[in-house]
Amino acid sequence: DADVTQTPRNRITKTGKRIMLECSQTKGHDRMYWYRQDPGLGLRLIYYSFDVKDINKGEISDGYSVSRQAQAKFSLSLESAIPNQTALYFCATSDLTGETRKETQYFGPGTRLLVL
Amino acid sequence: SQKIEQNSEALNIQEGKTATLTCNYTNYSPAYLQWYRQDPGRGPVFLLLIRENEKEKRKERLKVTFDTTLKQSLFHITASQPADSATYLCALISGGYNKLIFGAGTRLAVHP
Repeated sequence: DADVTQTPRNRITKTGKRIMLECSQTKGHDRMYWYRQDPGLGLRLIYYSFDVKDINKGEISDGYSVSRQAQAKFSLSLESAIPNQTALYFCATSDLTGETRKETQYFGPGTRLLVL
Repeated sequence: SQKIEQNSEALNIQEGKTATLTCNYTNYSPAYLQWYRQDPGRGPVFLLLIRENEKEKRKERLKVTFDTTLKQSLFHITASQPADSATYLCALISGGYNKLIFGAGTRLAVHP
């Protein structure tokens, strides 16, 4: 979905390096999320933010940090990358619009990260 | 413990047949359940939502059922086409939470 963009799309880094993955959205949504996807495990929530001043840990936040720089931008940092953080990372947005709390999420194209 | 389970084995069917994918959950009381499609190397795309008080929802060739007694949702694609080949994820949100919980997905392969 071009409304949610992620950079970089692919990244190779070494153990111990600090890296940042960035997410931008033009959908005007307040809510943003970071997930990682591993084969057989599905999508797991790392962090989420319901507005610029709200940051919450997901189920697997250890080793990660986030920054919500603006409504449209939500970045994920790996402070000291380790090999088991090799995964596909997705940013998503949502908005509580319409007649129900639908929580439909709109995903970016993903960042494939390899930690050597 | 809370679980969402989808068949990890790929589903292979012939073009024109109906594909049926299953999503089972335990220890959740979801207010609604969603289905997403994911193509290789791409992010999931929302397909359908069904609420706890709805038995069935349709959209073109897609049909979703939701049985809160069985704790199960079925996702059907009728008159399947090779272009329907993808991984399909179910996701639910439980009453007091504001986050989606995703299943691991089932890969569907439709053969000509």
